[in-house]
Amino acid sequence: SYELTQPPSVSVSPGQTARITCSGDALPKKYAYWYQQKSGQAPVLVIYEDSKRPSGIPERFSASSSGTMATLTISGAQVEDEAAYYCYSTDSSGNHRIFGGGTKLTVL
Amino acid sequence: EVQLVESGGGLVQPGGSVRLSCAASGFIFSDHYMDWVRQAPGKGLEWVGRSRKKANSYTTEYAASVKGRFTISRDDSKNSLYLQMNSLKTEDTAVYFCARDLNGSYPFGYWGQGTLVTVSS
Repeated sequence: SYELTQPPSVSVSPGQTARITCSGDALPKKYAYWYQQKSGQAPVLVIYEDSKRPSGIPERFSASSSGTMATLTISGAQVEDEAAYYCYSTDSSGNHRIFGGGTKLTVL
Repeated sequence: EVQLVESGGGLVQPGGSVRLSCAASGFIFSDHYMDWVRQAPGKGLEWVGRSRKKANSYTTEYAASVKGRFTISRDDSKNSLYLQMNSLKTEDTAVYFCARDLNGSYPFGYWGQGTLVTVSS
């Protein structure tokens, strides 16, 4: 079955750049989406179609996708960015909708 | 303002059934596809299934883990989405979120706060 692989954790100091990766064989053909989930809250869409930012999402959130890897970048990470981040995509057929395992971002 | 409010969760025995509801407001419900996503305690997100809009013939699709046991339906006249869960297993224990697309095209643009289903004897 298709999988999206993320590192379990990433840690940065406030003001540093955080990068979270998501790898999957179908990513060259399928868009990646990124969701932020703070503790005890519902997820929030922060990036769609590989690199587009919904209204209301701070400019420090950006993303790209190249080959089999998508990357979420938080430039100048802030304490309030501490959360779990999930990538989402589908397999090459579009039949299997999958979230990555999630990455816990610690900012301290 | 888009609002999604789930209800119907609770404690249910293995093999039992439960029906979740998602009440939508703040947008034209019939114009959007809707998803159910779940999250087991301390675990990641898992897509459960999708309900497409009337223009797409109200078709549904399901994750392999729930296909044949769960049924998604919607009532556009009541701005509501439903998840009928049958033959429940302990591994179905999770918070169940309903989610709406963004701009009619992009998945999980808006989320409810979720409702907890606990499957235990």
